[in-house]
Amino acid sequence: DSGVTQTPKHLITATGQRVTLRCSPRSGDLSVYWYQQSLDQGLQFLIQYYNGEERAKGNILERFSAQQFPDLHSELNLSSLELGDSALYFCASSVGGMGNQPQHFGDGTRLSIL
Amino acid sequence: LAKTTQPISMDSYEGQEVNITCSHNNIATNDYITWYQQFPSQGPRFIIQGYKTKVTNEVASLFIPADRKSSTLSLPRVSLSDTAVYYCLVGDTDQGGKLIFGQGTELSVKP
Repeated sequence: DSGVTQTPKHLITATGQRVTLRCSPRSGDLSVYWYQQSLDQGLQFLIQYYNGEERAKGNILERFSAQQFPDLHSELNLSSLELGDSALYFCASSVGGMGNQPQHFGDGTRLSIL
Repeated sequence: LAKTTQPISMDSYEGQEVNITCSHNNIATNDYITWYQQFPSQGPRFIIQGYKTKVTNEVASLFIPADRKSSTLSLPRVSLSDTAVYYCLVGDTDQGGKLIFGQGTELSVKP
């Protein structure tokens, strides 16, 4: 058990819809990272937050947004969903804000777009 | 960007030592090299991290040459449960902490 909690575990929705994925980091970790993993793209870094503020941005689409709340949990919002957004979405956390910190991953949210 | 290159797949047998090499020609001065293991439908799990020379923990060793343009993850005496995908990760602090995973090496351990 990594200590990182992601909800929901599975999500099925239709094209054009909007969903919110939630992540609770390990106790004491201030950084949260979001990743997308699909069969054809592998594991792609989306965005990082550190203590409530955006720290680094990867290949995150404009239709996607994220935030980290004062209690350090984070949400990833995906809107105007397309079939290609079907993927596993992982959240990870680390103690500090530097990108080199070992990260602890949750078990992911599997998003299926019908 | 510190792009990484790994073999796509490797086969081994139980009890053997497995070495997986990752190339990262554009590694930045302050970057560390980190390896993760991933089983199907699970999040990646941290294995080991290093900056230079050799690092060893209870599950693996990491060898990094002086030029740091590559690294080798060594798994001693693998078992069937080591069958997984292994990712090499180099932190790209020149890009504000943007992280780049390699394409992963699928290790298959046979009895």
